[in-house]
Amino acid sequence: EVQVVQSGAEVKKPGESLKISCKASAYSFTNYWIGWVRQMPGKGLEWMGIIYPGDSDTRYSPSFQGQVTISADKSINTAYLQWRSLKASDTAIYYCARRMNDAFDFWGQGTMVTVSS
Amino acid sequence: DIQMTQSPSSVSASVGDRVTITCRASQAIASWLAWYQQKPGKAPKLLIYTASNLESGVPSRFSGSGSGTDFTLSISSLQPEDSATYYCQQSNSFPWTFGQGTKVEIK
Repeated sequence: EVQVVQSGAEVKKPGESLKISCKASAYSFTNYWIGWVRQMPGKGLEWMGIIYPGDSDTRYSPSFQGQVTISADKSINTAYLQWRSLKASDTAIYYCARRMNDAFDFWGQGTMVTVSS
Repeated sequence: DIQMTQSPSSVSASVGDRVTITCRASQAIASWLAWYQQKPGKAPKLLIYTASNLESGVPSRFSGSGSGTDFTLSISSLQPEDSATYYCQQSNSFPWTFGQGTKVEIK
């Protein structure tokens, strides 16, 4: 059964760095794009970016370009989302999901990131 | 970026009613449109892809239609478990974008 499992909740201070993960199983990781979606508290879904683990081709939304880095390690079937310097406005739930038929068919459970001094 | 606009923002309907949600793209996207359902505290769930294709395991009361700029998601006979927020999303071009969501409540 296809699974996408994300790392656990994080509580950080402004200015700290963070890398969250998304581990895929039961399918060929290198052959499917993995995307990241942000959901701020009480708000809608925002598409952040997407990576093709086979060759690390990565596309970002202009809203997130330069603010985060998306990467993947195909040796361990894991995608990552990282920040160099967190802000309070980064507080949100972050989802990863697999791209299939030009939609996201399998989603991780979400990682809650809280940034507070 | 392609802007996606959903209407209405919320709808309240009775069990058994037909509910229709519309999604309009700011430019033509062919049939590159998906619909998701999200319940509180849960990850979104794919319902429809490429405008009208029902994802495996999704009840047949859900259907999607449209092409170009105008799309609809219909629930033919609303059930209590359909109470959720629904989002459309275009995949015609990067960056993919979501609509703002439509909250469906049961009267």
